[in-house]
Amino acid sequence: QVQLVESGGGLVKPGGSLRLSCAASGFTFSDYYMSWIRQAPGKGLEWVSYITSSGTTIYYADSVKGRFTISRDNAKNSLYLQMNSLRAEDTAVYYCARDRPLSRAFDYWGQGTLVTVSS
Amino acid sequence: DIQMTQSPSTLSASVGDRVTITCRASQSISNWLAWYQQKPEKAPKLLIYKASTLESGVPSRFSGSGSGTEFTLTISSLQPDDFATYYCQQYNSYSRTFGQGTKVEIK
Repeated sequence: QVQLVESGGGLVKPGGSLRLSCAASGFTFSDYYMSWIRQAPGKGLEWVSYITSSGTTIYYADSVKGRFTISRDNAKNSLYLQMNSLRAEDTAVYYCARDRPLSRAFDYWGQGTLVTVSS
Repeated sequence: DIQMTQSPSTLSASVGDRVTITCRASQSISNWLAWYQQKPEKAPKLLIYKASTLESGVPSRFSGSGSGTEFTLTISSLQPDDFATYYCQQYNSYSRTFGQGTKVEIK
């Protein structure tokens, strides 16, 4: 069955960096676009970034552009999010999600990993 | 960027009620719209994609309609398991955007 497992969250000081990982299994990872989506405590969902199946095309939300970098390693069935210059407003649960071809809906989600930016 | 506006933000309803949630896009998105259900401390679950296609395994009391800029999610007869927060989400070639969410509460 499809599984997405995020890791790498934790407490970091403002201005610091963190790298999130998402381990995928149960499907052919290299066939799918993937996204990172976040949810601040008590707030709604915010799309952060997506990467195409080959990794050649990437887009970011304006709120993270220039600070976050999405990448993938299809050989390792893994998705990554490098987060630099972190701010308090980046505090959120970060989900990785599979982007279904043709419909572009997120059909599978991980359980999320909490990132807390605080001094 | 395309903005998505859901209404209402909160909805109080009883078991058996027909419930409708509206989502408006700031510009036409054709039928590139999905709906999700989220329960506390859980990841969202896909309900409907391409505005009106029911995801496999989702009960038929859920339905979606609309195109262009106006979309609706309807629950034909609200069940106890349906009390949750619902989000719409648009797709275009360079971004995805979620609505702010609609919380369906017990009346």
